[in-house]
Amino acid sequence: DTEVTQTPKHLVMGMTNKKSLKCEQHMGHRAMYWYKQKAKKPPELMFVYSYEKLSINESVPSRFSPECPNSSLLNLHLHALQPEDSALYLCASSQESLAKNIQYFGAGTRLSVL
Amino acid sequence: SQQGEEDPQALSIQEGENATMNCSYKTSINNLQWYRQNSGRGLVHLILIRSNEREKHSGRLRVTLDTSKKSSSLLITASRAADTASYFCSGQGAQKLVFGQGTRLTINP
Repeated sequence: DTEVTQTPKHLVMGMTNKKSLKCEQHMGHRAMYWYKQKAKKPPELMFVYSYEKLSINESVPSRFSPECPNSSLLNLHLHALQPEDSALYLCASSQESLAKNIQYFGAGTRLSVL
Repeated sequence: SQQGEEDPQALSIQEGENATMNCSYKTSINNLQWYRQNSGRGLVHLILIRSNEREKHSGRLRVTLDTSKKSSSLLITASRAADTASYFCSGQGAQKLVFGQGTRLTINP
């Protein structure tokens, strides 16, 4: 099973809402990632978790709060987002967070902030 | 930045033709990877070439790497309609992938 599952597929939220994006993998991978992708742009790294610990935060605003409850799950908690945060949010995982590893991506959550 | 920069930004060819995309990067890398993304979907890994390799093949894909010029190319032979997608290269440093702007490839039937 080389699948990374993201839920929900689509999400519409207001600027005062609190919502969460979920990501799950059962490949035994110990590194998990959140990316943000705007239309016609490449994915931009947001966070990296390695062995359930946050190892990279790419200066992401605090209205995005990642959480890794266990080695298979990764959440992204959203609060007080802005319309410019509307984007495709991609989760990925890899065996370890090392240069040689291939990343496996989920299909993404399409987020619209009204 | 280790960011890859692909060219062309967009490429449209007829089915059956070969498609070549180029990628340049700025700093030293451990490996370079190519990914494909169908519209609005996640990325799919295509091929990884290590810094000590010059050429690699996988099915209809051929990747070259020239570390002296900090450039790579992806060749897709005998293109098919299903190859229509965006293609990203990424030079990988210590822990993270940094993607280039991508090439949008359209295969016309």
